[in-house]
Amino acid sequence: DTEVTQTPKHLVMGMTNKKSLKCEQHMGHRAMYWYKQKAKKPPELMFVYSYEKLSINESVPSRFSPECPNSSLLNLHLHALQPEDSALYLCASSQAGRMNTEAFFGQGTRLTVV
Amino acid sequence: GQNIDQPTEMTATEGAIVQINCTYQTSGFNGLFWYQQHAGEAPTFLSYNVLDGLEEKGRFSSFLSRSKGYSYLLLKELQMKDSASYLCAALSGGYQKVTFGTGTKLQVIP
Repeated sequence: DTEVTQTPKHLVMGMTNKKSLKCEQHMGHRAMYWYKQKAKKPPELMFVYSYEKLSINESVPSRFSPECPNSSLLNLHLHALQPEDSALYLCASSQAGRMNTEAFFGQGTRLTVV
Repeated sequence: GQNIDQPTEMTATEGAIVQINCTYQTSGFNGLFWYQQHAGEAPTFLSYNVLDGLEEKGRFSSFLSRSKGYSYLLLKELQMKDSASYLCAALSGGYQKVTFGTGTKLQVIP
């Protein structure tokens, strides 16, 4: 199993809503990532979890709140988002602490904030 | 800081060879990835270079020069399905931080 599964695939939410994006992998990877990708732009790193602890936060606004409840799951809690937060949100995982390792990406959640 | 540059767009003919360049300036550099991304899909892994030199994998090869901060992806025997965006990405910061370049949109024409 080399899959990273993200749910939902599509999400439309209002600016006052609270929603969560979910990501799951069963490859035994201990590093998990959230990326944000706007149209025709490369993915931008948001957060990195290593061994279930937040190791990198790329100065992401607090309306995005990550959570890693266990080694297979990664959540991104959303609250009071803005229309400019509409984007494709990608989750990825890799083996932690190794230099030669690829990151496997999920298919993403396409988020629209109205 | 991180600065990774690629050409925005390229066009090449089916059956030909194309080289996509990437220059980078990254602190704590460990290695360089190449990913392929079709429109609306997630990036898929193509290659990873940590040492200088050329690594070949079927129709795709990737080259790295750490001293020059330069890499390229070489695609041979181009097929129409190779039309996609190609992203170089630098790995830094304790093997965790993957920062993507601007991406090169490749169009393969008959």
